[in-house]
Amino acid sequence: NAGVMQNPRHLVRRRGQEARLRCSPMKGHSHVYWYRQLPEEGLKFMVYLQKENIIDESGMPKERFSAEFPKEGPSILRIQQVVRGDSAAYFCASSDGTANEKLFFGSGTQLSVL
Amino acid sequence: RKEVEQDPGPFNVPEGATVAFNCTYSNSASQSFFWYRQDCRKEPKLLMSVYSSGNEDGRFTAQLNRASQYISLLIRDSKLSDSATYLCAVNEGYQKVTFGTGTKLQVIP
Repeated sequence: NAGVMQNPRHLVRRRGQEARLRCSPMKGHSHVYWYRQLPEEGLKFMVYLQKENIIDESGMPKERFSAEFPKEGPSILRIQQVVRGDSAAYFCASSDGTANEKLFFGSGTQLSVL
Repeated sequence: RKEVEQDPGPFNVPEGATVAFNCTYSNSASQSFFWYRQDCRKEPKLLMSVYSSGNEDGRFTAQLNRASQYISLLIRDSKLSDSATYLCAVNEGYQKVTFGTGTKLQVIP
């Protein structure tokens, strides 16, 4: 399966712990997006990365959240000191970076903060 | 004003009906446009791109109106399997893709 792979599928954390969400883009894609979705709400843009570079992080909270996409390995969305309000589905998408920017999504990580 | 706006619905339509959704966007510099479909608790999947000339894929037709800054999706001969949430997406330039909140469609037997 050469699709976008996200893991874990479900992640449970207690308040104050750290959450690390991983995303491997589709083969041949070098652009990764992270979105957050609350129940019954739309996708909220968080961050857009290319290999080793953050291009746009305007949707990501300034504190506790960080993202990276290293030269080797998956993209990581890291949430430090999680709070209950961080509970959501986090979707990663990848693209090949061409002008029409079609996004292909992973199955998402459902984060639950107890 | 939201960057991308959609009527959340739900749209409840009988099988066989024709239904249309609109989506407005605020950034006139937006470059490309898409419709995605999202089933409950699943990831969004690309339905179709939207071009100025309009495009059709079977029962689905998408249109773009740059002057009025909206895109539309028309579904003809609705099937039960069309029940889902339909998200419009706009590439605002610099390849940042913004999604609307989605329009929920329920096709009724």
